[in-house]
Amino acid sequence: DGGITQSPKYLFRKEGQNVTLSCEQNLNHDAMYWYRQDPGQGLRLIYYSQIVNDFQKGDIAEGYSVSREKKESFPLTVTSAQKNPTAFYLCASSIELRGRAEAFFGQGTRLTVV
Amino acid sequence: SQQGEEDPQALSIQEGENATMNCSYKTSINNLQWYRQNSGRGLVHLILIRSNEREKHSGRLRVTLDTSKKSSSLLITASRAADTASYFCATGGGSQGNLIFGKGTKLSVKP
Repeated sequence: DGGITQSPKYLFRKEGQNVTLSCEQNLNHDAMYWYRQDPGQGLRLIYYSQIVNDFQKGDIAEGYSVSREKKESFPLTVTSAQKNPTAFYLCASSIELRGRAEAFFGQGTRLTVV
Repeated sequence: SQQGEEDPQALSIQEGENATMNCSYKTSINNLQWYRQNSGRGLVHLILIRSNEREKHSGRLRVTLDTSKKSSSLLITASRAADTASYFCATGGGSQGNLIFGKGTKLSVKP
């Protein structure tokens, strides 16, 4: 099965703790993205990567970090510096073919601070 | 920064009616995409329209693009209760870099 997998589906974080959200794809896509979605809101871009070992900050990168050591994997770490991390996090990947750049999404990770 | 802005924010219709959602964007584009999101799930790609196209159809979906006005519309004809979801437009991605989404239109189709 080809696709993009996020884990875990639900994650609870204590105050001051770092947590890492996993995102893996076997679609051979070059580009990967992390978005944050708050209730009833749109998607805000945290980080994106167009190639291995390279990534760019999105609109709300503060308090987050990423790595792209392998094409298939783009983990997101929510650090203690992120003061309001409770949200729904979505990972996506895409590849540009003949001018098309359709994105495929994982099913999301819901992070809650306890 | 939000590239796309959809309106209305929310839309409630009866089954069988048509639903129209609009999207405006700010910069030049190569293409514009529409996605659907069921509550609490990831997004699913619906349709892509290239900047040199004016209209595109896919089943009950019709998308138009007006690059002079930097706007697009998504029409769902003969809506069904199963069409209840949030719909987002997006621009960028691929070699254009970041894929930017609008805030979405929440569609509710009542049986």
